[in-house]
Amino acid sequence: KAGVTQTPRYLIKTRGQQVTLSCSPISGHRSVSWYQQTPGQGLQFLFEYFSETQRNKGNFPGRFSGRQFSNSRSEMNVSTLELGDSALYLCASSLGYSDTQYFGPGTRLTVL
Amino acid sequence: GQQVMQIPQYQHVQEGEDFTTYCNSSTTLSNIQWYKQRPGGHPVFLIQLVKSGEVKKQKRLTFQFGEAKKNSSLHITATQTTDVGTYFCAGRTALIFGKGTTLSVSS
Repeated sequence: KAGVTQTPRYLIKTRGQQVTLSCSPISGHRSVSWYQQTPGQGLQFLFEYFSETQRNKGNFPGRFSGRQFSNSRSEMNVSTLELGDSALYLCASSLGYSDTQYFGPGTRLTVL
Repeated sequence: GQQVMQIPQYQHVQEGEDFTTYCNSSTTLSNIQWYKQRPGGHPVFLIQLVKSGEVKKQKRLTFQFGEAKKNSSLHITATQTTDVGTYFCAGRTALIFGKGTTLSVSS
């Protein structure tokens, strides 16, 4: 089975721009979660989707949003980018809610 | 809100020494998961503990879930250089990760 894929793998943006990251879960997985990883803050939960519905949301500003499509693929969007948004954004999929999560390789976002 | 604290943040050991990382939650957890992230890689699932007082072993790794389901530990016996990486615990309900313990091992 193919693993979780994330595109793009690397991205460079400037302050004020917006960005959309994509995540394709493992086939058959219906739950997708997003995390932001930075050296200082570790892994921080952004949101979790299950069957196109947002089940949980982390403590991030409204500039961070996401959605899940009927095929379980998910996107997250960050608007009005700030320097502090530079991070590795990880997507993880699981069969169902509360199951083991399988992480993708991440998207490395650099904001200049 | 729910918080998961992990200590220590960094640990350096000599190859062959034991290593333990501890995870504490501010709230009772329905389950706890452990992940390992190698340098430059992404987190990889190791194990999930569900029952109060549960102990699970994977070769040299021993995982424990506290009786109150608010804390957990990972113990590695006789570390090897292949154990290098950052170990995260993650607690439910919404999966909240501790900040991880980064293990380095010198031979």
